Amino acid sequence: EPEVTQTPSHQVTQMGQEVILRCVPISNHLYFYWYRQILGQKVEFLVSFYNNEISEKSEIFDDQFSVERPDGSNFTLKIRSTKLEDSAMYFCAGARENNSPLHFGNGTRLTVT
Amino acid sequence: GQQLNQSPQSMFIQEGEDVSMNCTSSSIFNTWLWYKQDPGEGPVLLIALYKAGELTSNGRLTAQFGITRKDSFLNISASIPSDVGIYFCAGQITGYGGSQGNLIFGKGTKLSVKP
Repeated sequence: EPEVTQTPSHQVTQMGQEVILRCVPISNHLYFYWYRQILGQKVEFLVSFYNNEISEKSEIFDDQFSVERPDGSNFTLKIRSTKLEDSAMYFCAGARENNSPLHFGNGTRLTVT
Repeated sequence: GQQLNQSPQSMFIQEGEDVSMNCTSSSIFNTWLWYKQDPGEGPVLLIALYKAGELTSNGRLTAQFGITRKDSFLNISASIPSDVGIYFCAGQITGYGGSQGNLIFGKGTKLSVKP
């Protein structure tokens, strides 16, 4: 069964550094999302992406965050200057249509020190 | 913002027992979804509900979409040790513009099963 693939599985970075989290969605998916989960808390929406542009973003997704799908395959989340509170699991998700259930990757654990 | 109230927060049960958990919201959702998350992994879709009143089963799992579209429950019958994990409800708003397909998650129900 096709899967959403995320790399790396774990990223450790120093405060102020830039990180790029990568996702390879399922090939027939058209809608893409990033969510994050701070340890022990619920999964929170960050941003949705369709037709090569952001559809919606949450208040968490501030100017330090950006997304792109440069080659029609990888879907990336960039955090420009990481803060301690950015430490979390970051999940990529995709869907075939905008009313289809989301399928999640296994996440990237980001640790900011 | 929209919030889902999921309960109970955690459950400790004996293998073989039935389990019930639910989510309520002050907002209406077009779709209710139930996910399971194992440690270190992403949420895995269990059941998706699309119509008010819909009752759907997936093996030992049964979920219902409340008539008011503001609530849903998930039942697990005859629990087994591999049912251990965190179960999340999620409400999805669908349609054009605004929150296309975005999910609002509950805080999760942590299930522990004693063999």
